[in-house]
Amino acid sequence: NAGVTQTPKFQVLKTGQSMTLQCAQDMNHNSMYWYRQDPGMGLRLIYYSASEGTTDKGEVPNGYNVSRLNKREFSLRLESAAPSQTSVYFCATQRGGSRNEQFFGPGTRLTVL
Amino acid sequence: ILNVEQSPQSLHVQEGDSTNFTCSFPSSNFYALHWYRWETAKSPEALFVMTLNGDEKKKGRISATLNTKEGYSYLYIKGSQPEDSATYLCAFMDDYKLSFGAGTTVTVRA
Repeated sequence: NAGVTQTPKFQVLKTGQSMTLQCAQDMNHNSMYWYRQDPGMGLRLIYYSASEGTTDKGEVPNGYNVSRLNKREFSLRLESAAPSQTSVYFCATQRGGSRNEQFFGPGTRLTVL
Repeated sequence: ILNVEQSPQSLHVQEGDSTNFTCSFPSSNFYALHWYRWETAKSPEALFVMTLNGDEKKKGRISATLNTKEGYSYLYIKGSQPEDSATYLCAFMDDYKLSFGAGTTVTVRA
């Protein structure tokens, strides 16, 4: 089992370019999450999907869109990248319910020039 | 946005010494408190999920306690080893989502 996978691992964009970060899981978990990690700020939630067919904004959703394509896949799209979006992005999954831990993907390091 | 605070931000420990650090969180509408261990260049991995006031969890030399009435949790590392060097994150579960603290970075010196 691959667990949680993310593509790409690294990406460099120019300001104004668009791109989609992909996340897939084979854990049959209901809930999926996108976080960004910036120095000194821990993990901040961008968007989440509590179950297939639903998505909700997290703490820092501006400049991002998401799609829960099916139970396995949850993508994050940057329509017009800005230098402030330079970060490491993590996808995570959870079986559902507050008593269950989250499982994280390996991360995508994005640089916007 | 829920206010989850961790202190200290960082600490250095001599190998063999024990240490502890704190996570504070809102004491109302408690669902769960998560602890994650995050090593450099890796992804966060869950240590504990704590749900009941007075909970105590243990994994090897690492343990945690929970006080939901006053809104804090302690993480303890007994007899620190170099492999314990990592950032330890706590996170408060609210409905379907986690709010993370900024973490405590532990460096164990041999």
